[in-house]
Amino acid sequence: SYELTQPPSVSLAPGQTARITCSGEALPIQNAYWYQQKPGQAPILIIYKDTERPSGIPERFSGSSSGTTVTLTISGVQAEDEADYYCQSADYSGTLWVFGGGTKLTVL
Amino acid sequence: QVQLVQSGAEVKKPGASVKVSCKASGYTFSSYTFHWVRQAPGQGLEWMGWINADNGNAKSSQKFQGRVTITRDTSASTTYMELRSLGFGDTAVYYCARRATTSDHGMDVWGQGTAVTVSS
Repeated sequence: SYELTQPPSVSLAPGQTARITCSGEALPIQNAYWYQQKPGQAPILIIYKDTERPSGIPERFSGSSSGTTVTLTISGVQAEDEADYYCQSADYSGTLWVFGGGTKLTVL
Repeated sequence: QVQLVQSGAEVKKPGASVKVSCKASGYTFSSYTFHWVRQAPGQGLEWMGWINADNGNAKSSQKFQGRVTITRDTSASTTYMELRSLGFGDTAVYYCARRATTSDHGMDVWGQGTAVTVSS
């Protein structure tokens, strides 16, 4: 079955730039999405179609894509950004979806 | 307002079935595909399947094929997820989420989640 691979954790101080990667074989042909989830809450969409940001999402969140890897960048992390981040995409058929294992962002 | 409202928490015995509902409001139901996602305690998000609210086409993860059925009632703007032959590993929070069928804006609205506990 298709898989997306993320680092399990990222830790950094406030004001630094966080980069969370997501790797998958079909990413060159399928769009990627990023979700933020805080404890006890439903996920929130923060990036769609690799690089697009929904309205209401702060500009410090951005997405990029290169080959089989997509990257979520948080420029100038804030304490409120501490959360789990998940990438999502589809397999080659475009009909079966998958989430990455999630990355826990800790703001020191 | 635009929202998805899910049914309440459930406690089931092993081997039983559970059916979770997800009611949409504030937008045109048939313009969306609805996905079901679950999250076991302390674990990540797991995609289960989707249904096209317009034509009823559905697809589920191979992991759940044979055990899960996703349906919709267009008159009630509601989608349903039924999971059969429950085991302790099915204890999780189950979410529904919408995704526009003809434009790609990701899963932009999520339900509040429904906790399903499998306990003997």
